[in-house]
Amino acid sequence: GENVEQHPSTLSVQEGDSAVIKCTYSDSASNYFPWYKQELGKRPQLIIDIRSNVGEKKDQRIAVTLNKTAKHFSLHITETQPEDSAVYFCAPPSPNAGKSTFGDGTTLTVKP
Amino acid sequence: GAGVSQSPSNKVTEKGKDVELRCDPISGHTALYWYRQSLGQGLEFLIYFQGNSAPDKSGLPSDRFSAERTGGSVSTLTIQRTQQEDSAVYLCASSWAVVEYEQYFGPGTRLTVT
Repeated sequence: GENVEQHPSTLSVQEGDSAVIKCTYSDSASNYFPWYKQELGKRPQLIIDIRSNVGEKKDQRIAVTLNKTAKHFSLHITETQPEDSAVYFCAPPSPNAGKSTFGDGTTLTVKP
Repeated sequence: GAGVSQSPSNKVTEKGKDVELRCDPISGHTALYWYRQSLGQGLEFLIYFQGNSAPDKSGLPSDRFSAERTGGSVSTLTIQRTQQEDSAVYLCASSWAVVEYEQYFGPGTRLTVT
């Protein structure tokens, strides 16, 4: 989407390795920074989110870090498993509240 | 509780025909969004509703696309005079409010224009 850059576009890792996906945005009208996961043929679902009053949030093997000064936030997956294979989207705040913007997605493949 | 539902799940139509896609959001969610996703692509934002109001329609691809929401609940996306490039999955999502809340997605409507 506009004003959003998500990298890398594809990522292939061995099972057990870590994966990091970065999302850079240009402006923000809110303080909410989510990541969504979309498995093949399914709908996107929220996996983790963070609000700007904290710098990091963890949920088991998944973590999100936020750097508001640099305007980026990252998704970290540790001890990757084959079921982590999916497309991941960031959805940073949009300069136009309500006009939701998603990153272009990162296709993560975890090889057993 | 019930999640977001969409109907139909699949729609095959001939070029030039009109189609209506329906979205039933989660009860109580004031915000509703429509997206389009082509095969292997990202989420293209189309329009959002705050209650029954759509403050910004600039994301709609052309004037053949329109959307409405009634009673703060059900929304319909209408595509007139369908073209082959309209073929995609149309996703609807709802959330408690326009900003700072998780979006819950429906299963999508797969539209194929022949």
